[in-house]
Amino acid sequence: QKEVEQDPGPLSVPEGAIVSLNCTYSNSAFQYFMWYRQYSRKGPELLMYTYSSGNKEDGRFTAQVDKSSKYISLFIRDSQPSDSATYLCAMSAGGAQKLVFGQGTRLTINP
Amino acid sequence: DAGVIQSPRHEVTEMGQEVTLRCKPISGHNSLFWYRQTMMRGLELLIYFNNNVPIDDSGMPEDRFSAKMPNASFSTLKIQPSEPRDSAVYFCASSPGKAGGDTGELFFGEGSRLTVL
Repeated sequence: QKEVEQDPGPLSVPEGAIVSLNCTYSNSAFQYFMWYRQYSRKGPELLMYTYSSGNKEDGRFTAQVDKSSKYISLFIRDSQPSDSATYLCAMSAGGAQKLVFGQGTRLTINP
Repeated sequence: DAGVIQSPRHEVTEMGQEVTLRCKPISGHNSLFWYRQTMMRGLELLIYFNNNVPIDDSGMPEDRFSAKMPNASFSTLKIQPSEPRDSAVYFCASSPGKAGGDTGELFFGEGSRLTVL
């Protein structure tokens, strides 16, 4: 079993839809939870960062962490074609050297 | 700041040839990472350095792979001899690293796309 599980998709939704992306994990020591966005032929870039449990909102993006269920989510409201990318969850017990990535979900927003 | 800079962006070579990928991390970052990304396996950590010293190379697939960091502003990943299964996108990333434990945020370069024929 992988330490971090993420549905690779692909996921295709119409513009304006609410998108939900999810990851599950098995290591209860994880404390730092991140979502990276990767555009085609580019490197991943940090989109959202959350420490421990709870929600964090940044514009149209909301990150949720449920440590009791070992489950994290990223919600995108009013999705735009420019949100089309691969979204990778990543988590760590502490330290960049311990960062574990999910497989990535490929998302397409159709105009 | 210019970000993490990688070269070459694209490399096409024949099986058996030596490949050298280069990376310049963000100035002031003291941790550097090499990752490999494929459709099948996603992002895999190959090796990471802290203050120019290799800390964990357990992700390096085999002896054909080697990495060096001669100074704080430069690192190389070398494959010799290359094989078709090495075809992938290789990413370099750096991290600022905070005293007492950093949060894990990585800053990635744009990657080097390697094709071995």
